[in-house]
Amino acid sequence: QSALTQPASVSGSPGQSITISCTGTTSDVGGYNYVSWYQHHPGKAPKLMIFEVSNRPSGVSNRFSGSKSGNTASLTISGLQSEDEADYYCSSCTSSTTLDVIFGGGTKLTVL
Amino acid sequence: EVQLVESGGGLVQPGGSLRLSCAASGFSFSIYWMYWVRQAPGKGLVWVARINGDAITTNHADSVKGRFTISRDNAKNTLNLQMNSLRAEDTAVYYCVRGGPSWSMDVWGKGTTVTVSS
Repeated sequence: QSALTQPASVSGSPGQSITISCTGTTSDVGGYNYVSWYQHHPGKAPKLMIFEVSNRPSGVSNRFSGSKSGNTASLTISGLQSEDEADYYCSSCTSSTTLDVIFGGGTKLTVL
Repeated sequence: EVQLVESGGGLVQPGGSLRLSCAASGFSFSIYWMYWVRQAPGKGLVWVARINGDAITTNHADSVKGRFTISRDNAKNTLNLQMNSLRAEDTAVYYCVRGGPSWSMDVWGKGTTVTVSS
C-alpha cells in the first residue's frame, strides 16, 4: 500500500495563504470523507488539525481549513504565521486489506 | 489534561526485543481505540498496530505481524507494544496515539525512539 502523495515542501510569507494537497485513489481519499490532517513540530507530539475532510477539533484556529475534490484532499492555511512552520501529514481511511489508515508522506511548510 | 507518555525505547541489536509502554491520563482510557504509529528517519508516518477499548480486537500491519503484539491494561491506563525479532527497518520514533472520530487520531504522545543496530 503506497502512501498518499503530498508535495515535499511548500512555503509562504507571513499573512499569505498556502494550500497543501494530498492525492490518493478511489480506495482511500476518493472513496471516503475520512481525511484528516496533522501538524507536527519536530520533537513534539503531532496535533490533529482537521478530521472528516473539513472539520476542526475544538481549539484549532479557523485559519486552517480542509476540502476534497475527487481523489485529492487539500489543507489551506490562511494568514500564515511563523508558528505554522511545521510538517503536515494527511491521512485517510482505506479499504486496503493490509491497512485501515494510510498516511501521506508529509509536507514541510516554511514560513519565509 | 489529556496526555500520553511513551517509554521503553532504546538501542537493541537485530533479533532482539523491546517492550514499549504508554501511560494515558486525563480521559476514559478504556473506551478508546488506541494505536501505535511509527516514523522512520526521514520517512512519513506509518500505522503499526491498533487495539479496541476492551482489547478484544487487535490489528497489526503486515510489516510487523507475528513479531509485534499490541496490548492494553485498562486498570492501569496503559498501552503496550511487545516487539520481538527486531530488524534494522524497525528503527523509528514510535508514537502512542488515541483513536478519534472517523479514523482520525486525536491525541498523540511525543514518541519514544527505537534504534535497531549492531
